[in-house]
Amino acid sequence: GDSVTQMEGPVTLSEEAFLTINCTYTATGYPSLFWYVQYPGEGLQLLLKATKADDKGSNKGFEATYRKETTSFHLEKGSVQVSDSAVYFCAPLVHSQSKRLRKTSYDKVIFGPGTSLSVIP
Amino acid sequence: NAGVTQTPKFQVLKTGQSMTLQCAQDMNHEYMSWYRQDPGMGLRLIHYSVGAGITDQGEVPNGYNVSRSTTEDFPLRLLSAAPSQTSVYFCASREQGASYGYTFGSGTRLTVV
Repeated sequence: GDSVTQMEGPVTLSEEAFLTINCTYTATGYPSLFWYVQYPGEGLQLLLKATKADDKGSNKGFEATYRKETTSFHLEKGSVQVSDSAVYFCAPLVHSQSKRLRKTSYDKVIFGPGTSLSVIP
Repeated sequence: NAGVTQTPKFQVLKTGQSMTLQCAQDMNHEYMSWYRQDPGMGLRLIHYSVGAGITDQGEVPNGYNVSRSTTEDFPLRLLSAAPSQTSVYFCASREQGASYGYTFGSGTRLTVV
């Protein structure tokens, strides 16, 4: 079945360090790929996305490249800040078929377990 | 735009009580979903809807009901609260299509005692 694996952390980095959070997925078809971020006490926010192979999504200094050959979508940032402390979720979006509702297909988001990042000054 | 609005933000229930978590969005999104977030479990899908009048079960639907009478609203009903339903609940909406991500509400923190 469809699934996503990401490093669970927690990850602790010093300010200005380089960040990589690995994400690999298993999915039928050709999923779109997303990263979400959750700051303490808040809901998830869309961070970036990529919808086809070799696309690079970027936002707020974060980047991730859609690697179809390795089914990966690793999140990177060159220089983290204290304000980047949050939980990061990798989330492929796959096309699925409802088991109960006949002829109803829908786009299903599979959330990874989340990676907690703490950046210390 | 307000985005996705969830109420209440906090709730304490006694075992066996029922209640409705409210969710409303003003972006005319077709897709709406309810997730629960528990430590070490990530986000788990409870119920989802692909449009007004169309709902379906997710991974963990037992103990919850939903309905979608309008595009804007997607309430989640707890039929008879149990301590296992203590969690943070998130409502999310998105446009139909593979390139659209979710917009999340700020969550409801529910404690069942």
